[in-house]
Amino acid sequence: SAVISQKPSRDICQRGTSLTIQCQVDSQVTMMFWYRQQPGQSLTLIATANQGSEATYESGFVIDKFPISRPNLTFSTLTVSNMSPEDSSIYLCSVRQVSGNTIYFGEGSWLTVV
Amino acid sequence: AQTVTQSQPEMSVQEAETVTLSCTYDTSESDYYLFWYKQPPSRQMILVIRQEAYKQQNATENRFSVNFQKAAKSFSLKISDSQLGDAAMYFCAYRSPNGAQKLVFGQGTRLTINP
Repeated sequence: SAVISQKPSRDICQRGTSLTIQCQVDSQVTMMFWYRQQPGQSLTLIATANQGSEATYESGFVIDKFPISRPNLTFSTLTVSNMSPEDSSIYLCSVRQVSGNTIYFGEGSWLTVV
Repeated sequence: AQTVTQSQPEMSVQEAETVTLSCTYDTSESDYYLFWYKQPPSRQMILVIRQEAYKQQNATENRFSVNFQKAAKSFSLKISDSQLGDAAMYFCAYRSPNGAQKLVFGQGTRLTINP
């Protein structure tokens, strides 16, 4: 399975600021995804990160709020912009490897907005 | 759109006993993948077991096995000889082989192991 590193693992952020989360994979992957898990809830897909092009966003999520980059096959970033307390969540990076049908997850980034 | 339902918000079991977590899903596709993920307090999503819809045989991984009923669109997880380390949130998930190939998750079941 792929080894996925996410940074930061945890942060406390001020309202109105932005934070960028990094996701690094130890091998080339076909697909990279960003999920949000609000407190006590299940996981919801924010977007699929596409290499070299704009991410594909799910309904309810927009690029201005959650800009995503994927400059190569092993790295992606998610920015949470102009944060409010409602953005307090765990944000998880996940990947699908070149071979195989399983999707693996990073350790998650736990953001608290105060 | 596909949906996944876990009807048991919480379950508990005595250590060393067996417990079954339920999951149903709705899809019009004939080929797809089903997963159970475990999320301990550390919050990392850990793959427990995977099932391909085209396979009739139920998947097994050590103490974990599934009961896959394709016609009933049911995918339950059985944990045998429960251990304290099995305590976690368990999420059932569906993935289509087509399009975005994203995971669709159920609401989760919190499993408590009683010593």
